[in-house]
Amino acid sequence: GAGVSQTPSNKVTEKGKYVELRCDPISGHTALYWYRQSLGQGPEFLIYFQGTGAADDSGLPNDRFFAVRPEGSVSTLKIQRTERGDSAVYLCASSQTGAREQYFGPGTRLTVT
Amino acid sequence: AQSVTQLGSHVSVSEGALVLLRCNYSSSVPPYLFWYVQYPNQGLQLLLKYTTGATLVKGINGFEAEFKKSETSFHLTKPSAHMSDAAEYFCAVSDDTNAGKSTFGDGTTLTVKP
Repeated sequence: GAGVSQTPSNKVTEKGKYVELRCDPISGHTALYWYRQSLGQGPEFLIYFQGTGAADDSGLPNDRFFAVRPEGSVSTLKIQRTERGDSAVYLCASSQTGAREQYFGPGTRLTVT
Repeated sequence: AQSVTQLGSHVSVSEGALVLLRCNYSSSVPPYLFWYVQYPNQGLQLLLKYTTGATLVKGINGFEAEFKKSETSFHLTKPSAHMSDAAEYFCAVSDDTNAGKSTFGDGTTLTVKP
């Protein structure tokens, strides 16, 4: 079956612009996670959705970052007023309720110039 | 709070040699432990996981790991390295208090020499 997909695969934007990153989880997976991976580091947790609601957004670095999952499936990570320090690979993962195994998408590489 | 330490950011082995990638974790409650592999420009693929039960877990591609509570370790091993094993490997921990949120180590890059 289809895995987790993320679009776009690459995004280059100018400092100060707004970007949206999309994640399409595996069908039927109720849990969805966003992570950010900077060069030479492991993924860092940003936010977790259970269904439509954000169950834990403690990893969002500041109020420029926001994520939604309005119908409990596709999620969008939104970054306002992008900064060069936001450049990273943004990873999305999904899992079934109660499962410990997360399935990761290929990521979106964001470059802020 | 959870944390993961991967000892050695780079490990180099010869083809056919033993692979040993080290991972130590910190968790105040019983942990769930994972190893992921990441190939260039790709997402993370789960190699193996420990949740409960048998402490020696076997994964894909001939990898295995042993959960040692007394040592707070979950080292990854493979008896004989293959060129295709060259990649970056991440150890991660989660637990029931964090709703599946995982904390990752900084990764170990494995190089396999012919």
